[in-house]
Amino acid sequence: DSGVTQTPKHLITATGQRVTLRCSPRSGDLSVYWYQQSLDQGLQFLIQYYNGEERAKGNILERFSAQQFPDLHSELNLSSLELGDSALYFCASGTPVADTQYFGPGTRLTVL
Amino acid sequence: DAKTTQPPSMDCAEGRAANLPCNHSTISGNEYVYWYRQIHSQGPQYIIHGLKNNETNEMASLIITEDRKSSTLILPHATLRDTAVYYCIVRANYGGATNKLIFGTGTLLAVQP
Repeated sequence: DSGVTQTPKHLITATGQRVTLRCSPRSGDLSVYWYQQSLDQGLQFLIQYYNGEERAKGNILERFSAQQFPDLHSELNLSSLELGDSALYFCASGTPVADTQYFGPGTRLTVL
Repeated sequence: DAKTTQPPSMDCAEGRAANLPCNHSTISGNEYVYWYRQIHSQGPQYIIHGLKNNETNEMASLIITEDRKSSTLILPHATLRDTAVYYCIVRANYGGATNKLIFGTGTLLAVQP
């Protein structure tokens, strides 16, 4: 158990819909990272938040957005969903000192 | 961040040492070598990291060559539960400010009974 929690575990929805994925970081971690893992693209970095502020952006689509709240939990919002958005979405939290990332169990999104 | 090259797959007998190589010939002086692994569809798991000295923890050992152009992750006594994709990642350490991980394709280690 990494200490990072993600909800929901599974999500099935239809094309065109909007979903919200939630992540709670480990106690004391200020950074939250979001990654997408699809069969054809592997693990890809999407976006990072550090203490409530966006810090780095990767290959995140404009239809996707994220935020980190004052209690440090984060949400990833995916809108206008397409079949190709079906993937595993992982959240990770980071320690400022040791600079390692601890990953949550992921949310499996299926878009039908 | 420097690019890494890993073999796509390796086999190892249970109880034997697993030695996973990684080439990173373009590594810069301030870049660390990190290893993560991902057991089927689970979240990636941090294993170990190092700058230039060899490192050991309860999970594995990391051997970095003197010129730092390659490294080897050693699992001293592999078990079936070590079957996973192992990712070698080279990255500068910014102290948590912006430390995204860029994953390659990794090495699928299959531990055989």
